[in-house]
Amino acid sequence: DAGVTQTPRHEVAEKGQTIILKCEPVSGHNDLFWYRQTKIQGLELLSYFRSKSLMEDGGAFKDRFKAEMLNSSFSTLKIQPTEPKDSAVYLCASSPGLGVGAEQFFGPGTRLTVL
Amino acid sequence: QQQVRQSPQSLTVWEGGTTVLTCSYEDSTFNYFPWYQQFPGEGPALLISILSVSDKKEDGRFTTFFNKREKKLSLHIIDSQPGDSATYFCAASAYDSGYNKLTFGKGTVLLVSP
Repeated sequence: DAGVTQTPRHEVAEKGQTIILKCEPVSGHNDLFWYRQTKIQGLELLSYFRSKSLMEDGGAFKDRFKAEMLNSSFSTLKIQPTEPKDSAVYLCASSPGLGVGAEQFFGPGTRLTVL
Repeated sequence: QQQVRQSPQSLTVWEGGTTVLTCSYEDSTFNYFPWYQQFPGEGPALLISILSVSDKKEDGRFTTFFNKREKKLSLHIIDSQPGDSATYFCAASAYDSGYNKLTFGKGTVLLVSP
């Protein structure tokens, strides 16, 4: 079974640009999560989808970050406009969502550098 | 407000030694506690997990302990190997509306020296 796929693996953007990160979850999983990972803040939840419906949108990230789930097998995270402080690793995870203890499976992440 | 506190931030252990990582949490509704292991350039992967109805779970060289009264959990790695060198995250969640929203600790960077 294929795991969670994320593209691109690395992205370099100029301040003010729009970037779109992509994620393909594990086939059949109902839950999809977007996280931002930095050394200082650790793992921060950006968005959570269940069966393509947005369940939670990280409050601090609402203004320039927009996640969408176009179908059950594809999600995007748009950052517009980018700022240097957005430099981080962006992780996508999916989960069966079957109850307590439903494991989250993470992709390898996209490392974003904003100049 | 940091809901899950993890310590230490970093740790060096000799090969063959025992590694102990600890976490504490504040939200008494948390009932699921996974530990994730992350190697450089990869996403975190589930290592071991425990539910609040248990106080210990073992998987090979890895054991997690849970203390509900003190709101603490720990991860013990016996016979630590250089291949265990990674970043370890504890996490916690409360089953709410049918999904697990994980709150992560900030991680421990473990180095196992040969």
